[in-house]
Amino acid sequence: GESVGLHLPTLSVQEGDNSIINCAYSNSASDYFIWYKQESGKGPQFIIDIRSNMDKRQGQRVTVLLNKTVKHLSLQIAATQPGDSAVYFCAEKIKGAQKLVFGQGTRLTINP
Amino acid sequence: NAGVMQNPRHLVRRRGQEARLRCSPMKGHSHVYWYRQLPEEGLKFMVYLQKENIIDESGMPKERFSAEFPKEGPSILRIQQVVRGDSAAYFCASSPPDRARETQYFGPGTRLLVL
Repeated sequence: GESVGLHLPTLSVQEGDNSIINCAYSNSASDYFIWYKQESGKGPQFIIDIRSNMDKRQGQRVTVLLNKTVKHLSLQIAATQPGDSAVYFCAEKIKGAQKLVFGQGTRLTINP
Repeated sequence: NAGVMQNPRHLVRRRGQEARLRCSPMKGHSHVYWYRQLPEEGLKFMVYLQKENIIDESGMPKERFSAEFPKEGPSILRIQQVVRGDSAAYFCASSPPDRARETQYFGPGTRLLVL
């Protein structure tokens, strides 16, 4: 749903471990979802997307899971690397509209 | 194979001045979106444009803000009589004309600071 301006949730994992970042979306009419990675001072970078007619999609080291029943989205990153440290945002697109609605974001820190 | 380009990357204005932010979409993309981001927050949609048309401006403030995407040249986000609350990062995204390809690709942003 809409960001509410609170401190970003944070997640710290050891290098090489797997990480799971969660997102609750707001609108049951959303039909397309994207995960973005944003490094400090940069724009959001596309990671992976999924349509509402799917419940799982895999990319290189990343997997997105969609649970429409509880309106929940997750991003799994396997074998994390220092370069994975960033803020991760989920975004939803409501069917019939083009704009993206961004979640609050999660700051992922990879510890060496 | 350039991505979305935005300039300037940093812009400093005094209260009451005008700010003009420019965005060139990826090659072959005809849809442009502007978003605003405050520190420690997600991006908030402002406006969606196609060439020479504003399609959705539901996120634009009613006053002082305007956007255009002319037939030739970049998209422009214009903020008149800036106030300190306009300080933020402004991101442009683009997507191709094919509605089946919905992914929006973002530029590096313009960081506006109003003194």
